[in-house]
Amino acid sequence: QLVESGGGFAQSGGSLRLSCVASGFTFSTYSMNWVRQAPGKGLEWVSYISSSSSTIYYADSVKGRFTISRDNAKNSLFLHLASLRDDDTAVYYCARETAGQDPWGQGTLVTVSS
Amino acid sequence: QSALTQPASVSGSPGQSITISCTGTSSDVGGYVSWYQQHPGKAPKLMIYDVSSRPSGVSNRFSGSKSGNTASLTISGLQAEDEAVYYCSSYTRSTTLRYVFGIGTKVTVL
Repeated sequence: QLVESGGGFAQSGGSLRLSCVASGFTFSTYSMNWVRQAPGKGLEWVSYISSSSSTIYYADSVKGRFTISRDNAKNSLFLHLASLRDDDTAVYYCARETAGQDPWGQGTLVTVSS
Repeated sequence: QSALTQPASVSGSPGQSITISCTGTSSDVGGYVSWYQQHPGKAPKLMIYDVSSRPSGVSNRFSGSKSGNTASLTISGLQAEDEAVYYCSSYTRSTTLRYVFGIGTKVTVL
């Protein structure tokens, strides 16, 4: 199970930190992803982190603004969002990477307003 | 990065079979493909991975295939509960990793 938190309202240019707590599996052995979905829109991959944090990737749309990290001792995944823009408004999901992305958390809504 | 191409909508009557296509390039759909089901207000759920494999617990009414750069999801014996949006997904992994999703296909059970 994956449970996200930390979403809310932020002003353009502001920042937020999202968290995702994992349970029911050995978190430290899995790579993880963040995927977002703007209101009424499709899915957009945001970022990937390997099990040991040695490999990290970002979508071009968030590179240089978002930072992914994890704490395996606390079964937790994080996404720090900075320099927020209106088009970052979305539900942010964390997802475990297996042969696909499974499972997904319930999502946390980030609303950016100028 | 371009999204994978899917039809906006597909419909069928209960009991019928429908197929959703997903077209990309040799760099993405040419390799790994997965499919996700999303009901309104819910998180996506993995339905197919590695083109044609089903996770434990997913009905065998769902099947996946691929020909060239086009992947397909077939739902057999369509049921009311299958009404949802379906997304295909793939990735490229060369110098970097890039996941890409399709635009989503709304399946309507008539």
